[in-house]
Amino acid sequence: SQQGEEDPQALSIQEGENATMNCSYKTSINNLQWYRQNSGRGLVHLILIRSNEREKHSGRLRVTLDTSKKSSSLLITASRAADTASYFCVEGGFKTIFGAGTRLFVKA
Amino acid sequence: NAGVTQTPKFQVLKTGQSMTLQCAQDMNHNSMYWYRQDPGMGLRLIYYSASEGTTDKGEVPNGYNVSRLNKREFSLRLESAAPSQTSVYFCASRPAGLAGGRGPLTHTQYFGPGTRLTVL
Repeated sequence: SQQGEEDPQALSIQEGENATMNCSYKTSINNLQWYRQNSGRGLVHLILIRSNEREKHSGRLRVTLDTSKKSSSLLITASRAADTASYFCVEGGFKTIFGAGTRLFVKA
Repeated sequence: NAGVTQTPKFQVLKTGQSMTLQCAQDMNHNSMYWYRQDPGMGLRLIYYSASEGTTDKGEVPNGYNVSRLNKREFSLRLESAAPSQTSVYFCASRPAGLAGGRGPLTHTQYFGPGTRLTVL
């Protein structure tokens, strides 16, 4: 098990701008996942990237993985007010340890 | 298909009282999880069950017990509640487990709506 550490802790942008969040981890992984949490609700899975993949897209989301640097990034393009949420990365083993997350605030 | 359900949604306890939080999933998932989330913080893993009949400690197991009653249900018990256990509790399930689980979404966790617990 290992913990993903998200950076920055908080991010405030204007609607229409891009938002980039980073995740670092310490040991080797099979896959890495990103989740979103709207205030007070359960987490929702966004995207999974496997260790043999370098980039993955899903709608306005783009995830990259650099296993040599043990880091991943999540890019949300053309952000919307509805993207306001906390974002978490986690390694996909059985014992899943979440980090503190990045709190994204998109101003309309 | 209800997904992951949790009961109750809200609960207020007095210090020393006991209670059980219930979680059930109808997706035939192998693994189930209990997390707690304190205000402004990330999720912390309390216990998890990688298959029916097995349970393992997470980051913060002290003060809690769990039971994987069957494949569908995973309960969390507070034997003697303390104010430090005031939190929002989330249950999650995942297709992958010790008993198998394949496919592109096998590692995706599906979360319940949470139980808001206050211990006075």
